[in-house]
Amino acid sequence: QSLLTQPPSASGTPGQRVTLSCSGGSSSFGDTTLNWFQQLPGTAPKLLIYNNNYRPSGVPDRFSGSKSGTSASLAITGLQSEDEADYYCAAWDDSLNGWVFGGGTKLTVL
Amino acid sequence: QVTLKESGPVLVKPTETLTLTCAVSGFSLTNARMGVSWIRQPPGKALEWLSHISSNGDTSYATSLKARLTISRDTSKSQVVLTMTNMDPMDTGTYYCARNLNTVAYRWMDPWGQGTPVTVSS
Repeated sequence: QSLLTQPPSASGTPGQRVTLSCSGGSSSFGDTTLNWFQQLPGTAPKLLIYNNNYRPSGVPDRFSGSKSGTSASLAITGLQSEDEADYYCAAWDDSLNGWVFGGGTKLTVL
Repeated sequence: QVTLKESGPVLVKPTETLTLTCAVSGFSLTNARMGVSWIRQPPGKALEWLSHISSNGDTSYATSLKARLTISRDTSKSQVVLTMTNMDPMDTGTYYCARNLNTVAYRWMDPWGQGTPVTVSS
């Protein structure tokens, strides 16, 4: 079963570019594709990125994803106060036939 | 417009069985590229995937909870039901359902329901 590791916290100032990481604990991570979710305080998670770097319609292009080998990242440019949220990476695990989530990163906009 | 809405008891007692319903609209539960997952989130903690039901009715469960979970669906009502037996205070949290979409190469979850809070306490 895959294990996804995210740093518990990150911060940035308005206008800055921040990068959130997600690392996979098994070689199978290289074969899977990642979703990124944004969870604003008190709300349900919202899909930000799928298939490593695809944005659903309506998601600003300030958000971008990338993946290489066993690590992936979510980049946010032009950081805004409303980006303060928890961010989760998730991947489908074929051996589990289910989703594996990272522990989430709490992003603070200073 | 695709929506999912969870419903169920807000409070359950330890050892009781929890039954949650996810009512979906805007898509068919039998659509070949779609399924529904249940995910939970304890207060202040991370998301945890619980279970999935695919378009053909195949089911899967989180390894640690497999013995306690059952997922099913009523396609005529466009509902997915999750039951969890032997509830414990550690099961307290918000429970979400989410639509799964898949292609040959990748999958994603969108949208999610608003979530339903569950507290386990005597």
